[in-house]
Amino acid sequence: NAGVTQTPKFRVLKTGQSMTLLCAQDMNHEYMYWYRQDPGMGLRLIHYSVGEGTTAKGEVPDGYNVSRLKKQNFLLGLESAAPSQTSVYFCASTQTGGVYNEQFFGPGTRLTVL
Amino acid sequence: AQSVAQPEDQVNVAEGNPLTVKCTYSVSGNPYLFWYVQYPNRGLQFLLKYITGDNLVKGSYGFEAEFNKSQTSFHLKKPSALVSDSALYFCAVRPDGATNKLIFGTGTLLAVQP
Repeated sequence: NAGVTQTPKFRVLKTGQSMTLLCAQDMNHEYMYWYRQDPGMGLRLIHYSVGEGTTAKGEVPDGYNVSRLKKQNFLLGLESAAPSQTSVYFCASTQTGGVYNEQFFGPGTRLTVL
Repeated sequence: AQSVAQPEDQVNVAEGNPLTVKCTYSVSGNPYLFWYVQYPNRGLQFLLKYITGDNLVKGSYGFEAEFNKSQTSFHLKKPSALVSDSALYFCAVRPDGATNKLIFGTGTLLAVQP
């Protein structure tokens, strides 16, 4: 099992450019999440999904869109990147069935917006 | 508002000494509490969780955590620190009834000196 993988690992964008971050998990998890990590702020939830075809907003959704067309994949899109979106992005997934289960994290994508 | 606080940005401890990383929470209802560790340039790894039952929870790598409902705390502990324990530690809470979402603290950097 590869667990949770993220593509790409690093990316540099110019302001106004767009990009998509891909998260894939091979654990048949129902729930998937996108977080951003900024110094001194911990991890903040951007969007999440409780199943294929469903998405919901988290704590900091502005400027991002997501899609969950397949159960194993969760895509995070930036339509028009801004310097404030410079961050490390983490994807996570968890089993369905209640509040007991820990989340499994990917290795992260480091994004710089110039 | 529901929140998690990690009052120390950094904890320094000598190898072989006991360590404590502090966490307090504020949620309504019964909290589900987690500790994660992040090594440099890696994703978060699950250490342990408290759901119910015994207030002392044992986890990976010799870590344990004590749940104290009256003090709304969930401090991470280890009897004897190793240099390899040096990492960033995150406390997280899953508020009762949430959709498996996590609220993270800001993280505590643990530095273990040889």
